[in-house]
Amino acid sequence: EAGVVQSPRYKIIEKKQPVAFWCNPISGHNTLYWYRQNLGQGPELLIRYENEEAVDDSQLPKDRFSAERLKGVDSTLKIQPAELGDSAVYLCASSSGGARLGEKLFFGSGTQLSVL
Amino acid sequence: GDSVTQMEGPVTLSEEAFLTINCTYTATGYPSLFWYVQYPGEGLQLLLKATKADDKGSNKGFEATYRKETTSFHLEKGSVQVSDSAVYFCALSHSNTGNQFYFGTGTSLTVIP
Repeated sequence: EAGVVQSPRYKIIEKKQPVAFWCNPISGHNTLYWYRQNLGQGPELLIRYENEEAVDDSQLPKDRFSAERLKGVDSTLKIQPAELGDSAVYLCASSSGGARLGEKLFFGSGTQLSVL
Repeated sequence: GDSVTQMEGPVTLSEEAFLTINCTYTATGYPSLFWYVQYPGEGLQLLLKATKADDKGSNKGFEATYRKETTSFHLEKGSVQVSDSAVYFCALSHSNTGNQFYFGTGTSLTVIP
């Protein structure tokens, strides 16, 4: 079974440029998450989807960040414009159970973003 | 709000040494508790979990017991191997917060031969 696939693996951009990350979750997983992991920190939730609906985006900085999950499968996270403080690893995760108690998350390898 | 505090690293051990990584949590009610592991160059993956008090999660020789009285979920392994070198994250999810996951800051473990 293929895992959660993310691309690109690395991205280096100058500040004020736009950037986009792509995620393909495990087949059949209805719940998709985007996390941001700063250096030396644990992942922090940005947004959670149940199918194509964003059910928790309270931590997403909506002035510059946007996300979509068309057709409830693949998802794209965008930053426009990027700032120096956005440098981090962006992780995508999926699960099958709609965030049930004790549900297991499957993570992709992440996209490491460096904003210069 | 809900949070997880875990032992700061990095931790360096010799092969076959005993490992403990401390984790304590703050939450109302009864969260589920997890340990995730991140091997170099890979994504986080579930190591073990416990969903109620006094449960013991175990996998690959690692164990952790959900202690409600001390709000702890310490990770232990009796004899570590070089292949256990990774970053370990303690996490919780709670129905009060829509089962959102809260992760600790991670503890880096290096096992030397």
